[in-house]
Amino acid sequence: LAKTTQPISMDSYEGQEVNITCSHNNIATNDYITWYQQFPSQGPRFIIQGYKTKVTNEVASLFIPADRKSSTLSLPRVSLSDTAVYYCLVGDPLTGGGNKLTFGTGTQLKVEL
Amino acid sequence: NAGVMQNPRHLVRRRGQEARLRCSPMKGHSHVYWYRQLPEEGLKFMVYLQKENIIDESGMPKERFSAEFPKEGPSILRIQQVVRGDSAAYFCASSTTGTDTQYFGPGTRLTVL
Repeated sequence: LAKTTQPISMDSYEGQEVNITCSHNNIATNDYITWYQQFPSQGPRFIIQGYKTKVTNEVASLFIPADRKSSTLSLPRVSLSDTAVYYCLVGDPLTGGGNKLTFGTGTQLKVEL
Repeated sequence: NAGVMQNPRHLVRRRGQEARLRCSPMKGHSHVYWYRQLPEEGLKFMVYLQKENIIDESGMPKERFSAEFPKEGPSILRIQQVVRGDSAAYFCASSTTGTDTQYFGPGTRLTVL
């Protein structure tokens, strides 16, 4: 399973765009990149998943450069309710790495007024 | 469609007692995963089950811990003779297949006195 590195914490203000970068230098060819969000006392919630280039949904965008050794989760116009821990996961969904999710310590995002 | 249900949400046990944690997957999901989260840490995979079968238990301690997912009823994570080090949040996730997105429940917070 590819190891991931994320900043421990980030601070932002309401209305700003937040970009959280994750490094995964030893990502394998079949690995996908998945981001989860976790609020205190709740289970993680799936945000977005991608393989290359750019993926966008109603919540976030995921940017993956050509070498795939890093990825950036972009949250547009954050609000106080986006304060949470964000986890970057890398694994092959078609093998054991996909169903055995490996969570690091994540990035604690704090959004203030 | 109800999400993943876990009960109890909070469980207090004294050392040496047994803890039983229950997980009802989302409707239509036949794959269940259990994770443990210690304070200030990310989730750690414990076990992956499909109806009546344990597929991968590589993350589960060899002693005192067991899991089942019977044909009828919820999945059960059982911890015998609990010790203080078992105090943690235990999360259950489910998916339709073994390779698609996992949806997490709210967790059970186990406190061992």
